Amino acid sequence: AQSVTQPDIHITVSEGASLELRCNYSYGATPYLFWYVQSPGQGLQLLLKYFSGDTLVQGIKGFEAEFKRSQSSFNLRKPSVHWSDAAEYFCAVGAGTGGFKTIFGAGTRLFVKA
Amino acid sequence: DGGITQSPKYLFRKEGQNVTLSCEQNLNHDAMYWYRQDPGQGLRLIYYSQIVNDFQKGDIAEGYSVSREKKESFPLTVTSAQKNPTAFYLCASSIASSTRRDGYTFGSGTRLTVV
Repeated sequence: AQSVTQPDIHITVSEGASLELRCNYSYGATPYLFWYVQSPGQGLQLLLKYFSGDTLVQGIKGFEAEFKRSQSSFNLRKPSVHWSDAAEYFCAVGAGTGGFKTIFGAGTRLFVKA
Repeated sequence: DGGITQSPKYLFRKEGQNVTLSCEQNLNHDAMYWYRQDPGQGLRLIYYSQIVNDFQKGDIAEGYSVSREKKESFPLTVTSAQKNPTAFYLCASSIASSTRRDGYTFGSGTRLTVV
């Protein structure tokens, strides 16, 4: 079955420290992968996406993600976290014909401590 | 600037009442979606529409209904048949031909509470 797993429900990092959020997917074909961010009470904003080519993709707000086919992973990273990065992060895979049934992970909430 | 507008931001429903959530977009996107978000469960697809006057059920369509009479609008009705409607509802849109590659644009959501 197609699925997206985010193993960490929440993560706390110190401001200025590096960040890695984990994402594993299960999908039969070549995956189209996304990371979205959600601030409290708001909608989701697309951070970055991968569908082919270079396995290290750059996104907005200084985030990057690396696609590893052998590990079925698409982990999100940031070298230095800012307090404004505190939010919930969702990994997703474009599923269904045309990608109209995107599957989302359960999310990882990021807390940033001063 | 183009975007998706969801209204109202907060909505309270009495038991047995139908309520309608509004979603309007001016992005000229073909496809529109409704997701339900519950704590710890991520987003679950309720309905989606690839084109005007056509829509398909998602994974949790029971107790919900939609219409797509205009390209810009995709309202969601939460009926009395939905036994646990308290949740955060998100509307999204995409360019139908590039959805898989480009992903979605989301509205800011409607929080529905049963009182």
